Amino acid sequence: QKEVEQDPGPLSVPEGAIVSLNCTYSNSAFQYFMWYRQYSRKGPELLMYTYSSGNKEDGRFTAQVDKSSKYISLFIRDSQPSDSATYLCAVSRQLTFGSGTQLTVLP
Amino acid sequence: ETGVTQSPTHLIKTRGQQVTLRCSSQSGHNTVSWYQQALGQGPQFIFQYYREEENGRGNFPPRFSGLQFPNYSSELNVNALELDDSALYLCASSYETGVGETQYFGPGTRLLVL
Repeated sequence: QKEVEQDPGPLSVPEGAIVSLNCTYSNSAFQYFMWYRQYSRKGPELLMYTYSSGNKEDGRFTAQVDKSSKYISLFIRDSQPSDSATYLCAVSRQLTFGSGTQLTVLP
Repeated sequence: ETGVTQSPTHLIKTRGQQVTLRCSSQSGHNTVSWYQQALGQGPQFIFQYYREEENGRGNFPPRFSGLQFPNYSSELNVNALELDDSALYLCASSYETGVGETQYFGPGTRLLVL
């Protein structure tokens, strides 16, 4: 079993839609949870960072961590074509990444 | 832009050769981590350096080695290159390895092994 599982997609949505991206993880000891966005031919860019459980909101982005079910989510409201990228979840200090979900927002 | 730079941007090598990749950390950061990202996959942790000492290593063979210099810049060396080493190599810098640190990635070096 992989430490972090992420639906690879691809996911295609119309502009303005709410996007839900999800990951599950196996190790209950993980305390740090991150979401990165990676545009084509670029390095990952930190979007959201959460310590332990709960929600965190930043503009159109909301990150949720449910440690009881080992489930992490990223919601994007009012999605824009500029949100088209690969989204990577990551856990722990020495980042363990999911495989990434490729998102396309259609104008 | 994160302030983390990497060189070169692209590199082509042949099987069996050796390669050195370089990373310059964001100002004020004393920790650097290296990752390998195969096409269509998430980055995989290679190792981390904190204040010039190795501070953790992923599941990579010894032919992957690194250095961190007093100015906190870093090198990744790969000996005896194999075709499967073809990937995007990313470095990420952070301040300390304690609670709450986050890592900032450079743009990567794309290595092709023929």
